[in-house]
Amino acid sequence: DTEVTQTPKHLVMGMTNKKSLKCEQHMGHRAMYWYKQKAKKPPELMFVYSYEKLSINESVPSRFSPECPNSSLLNLHLHALQPEDSALYLCASSDGLGPYNEQFFGPGTRLTVL
Amino acid sequence: RKEVEQDPGPFNVPEGATVAFNCTYSNSASQSFFWYRQDCRKEPKLLMSVYSSGNEDGRFTAQLNRASQYISLLIRDSKLSDSATYLCVVNEGTSGTYKYIFGTGTRLKVLA
Repeated sequence: DTEVTQTPKHLVMGMTNKKSLKCEQHMGHRAMYWYKQKAKKPPELMFVYSYEKLSINESVPSRFSPECPNSSLLNLHLHALQPEDSALYLCASSDGLGPYNEQFFGPGTRLTVL
Repeated sequence: RKEVEQDPGPFNVPEGATVAFNCTYSNSASQSFFWYRQDCRKEPKLLMSVYSSGNEDGRFTAQLNRASQYISLLIRDSKLSDSATYLCVVNEGTSGTYKYIFGTGTRLKVLA
């Protein structure tokens, strides 16, 4: 079963709010990813976790804080966001970090920052 | 030069037509390549993986040309349901730093 789930599906928040996005996979994958996607643009990599450790941070502002509580869960904590952070946030997972691993995406959280 | 380049389209083709997209990549050390399709306001879904010269799955054929650094996707007998954005993805890096680089996508519209 190639399934990655994300909650919530939609989120509206003010610039002073704190919220979290959640992602879960039950495929036994050891690498998990956060991407941000704006309309009519490709996904942009934000963070990569491998074996629950942060492997890549693509110079993401500190108002985005990732967390990997265990191998099947990935969170993205949001604080003091800006309206330009409004986007589709996609979580993905792959069996590992090597080049021949296929990556599977969750349905995304559509975030609106007011 | 962008790392992964695609013609954004849109490609408008009639049902039943054959259509091909190309994708060029700049890093000659890239080892694996993928095609994803993405429907409007949905997540990307894996269509095909390409590790050697090519791959075929039903109406879809992917070819890899390492000498010229491009990947192609051929869709035969196009269906209305094939209308989507097709994303070319290249995996590159070294141990511990592999990541997936996305092209900008090619929009396909199959017309009745």
